[in-house]
Amino acid sequence: AQSVAQPEDQVNVAEGNPLTVKCTYSVSGNPYLFWYVQYPNRGLQFLLKYITGDNLVKGSYGFEAEFNKSQTSFHLKKPSALVSDSALYFCAVRGLYGGSQGNLIFGKGTKLSVKP
Amino acid sequence: KAGVTQTPRYLIKTRGQQVTLSCSPISGHRSVSWYQQTPGQGLQFLFEYFSETQRNKGNFPGRFSGRQFSNSRSEMNVSTLELGDSALYLCASSDTGAFAYEQYFGPGTRLTVT
Repeated sequence: AQSVAQPEDQVNVAEGNPLTVKCTYSVSGNPYLFWYVQYPNRGLQFLLKYITGDNLVKGSYGFEAEFNKSQTSFHLKKPSALVSDSALYFCAVRGLYGGSQGNLIFGKGTKLSVKP
Repeated sequence: KAGVTQTPRYLIKTRGQQVTLSCSPISGHRSVSWYQQTPGQGLQFLFEYFSETQRNKGNFPGRFSGRQFSNSRSEMNVSTLELGDSALYLCASSDTGAFAYEQYFGPGTRLTVT
């Protein structure tokens, strides 16, 4: 079965410092991995995806993620955090339904808090 | 393009009632997925529709159903509501081709069952 784990419920970072939000996955076959962000009272916003190709994926708002097959990880990173990055971050993997574009399987989420 | 819209945004229902939620995808997107978000269970996949056909279904009871219309708009229905159905229901649409798998979410419908 496909699954993702986000080991940290909360990550605290000072503004201007680099941030990392961790994600590990377990899949059958090649993983399709995603990061989404959710601001209070809003839906989820797509940040980036890994389907194939370069292990370093660049996304929206200066975020990037590194796919590491040997460690089955897909950590989200940003070189310099902003207070406005404070939000709930979700890692997701595509479910095992052939031909499907939906059915994402989400981690529990990590709350990122960036302090001035 | 306009984003994914969901109506209503907030809903209060009583146990035993039924409810219908609506979702209008981004213009041109034919795939619509529904998710339930709760503090305890997190985000869980309900079902996906593509060209008016249910393509996949998550592990939810038959009280949860949905449909998609020819214009790609989708509705989900929950019958015989239970307290545990209180949640944020999110709809997402996606394109095909190079942008496949990027799901664009609506703001959600907050359902409270009393």
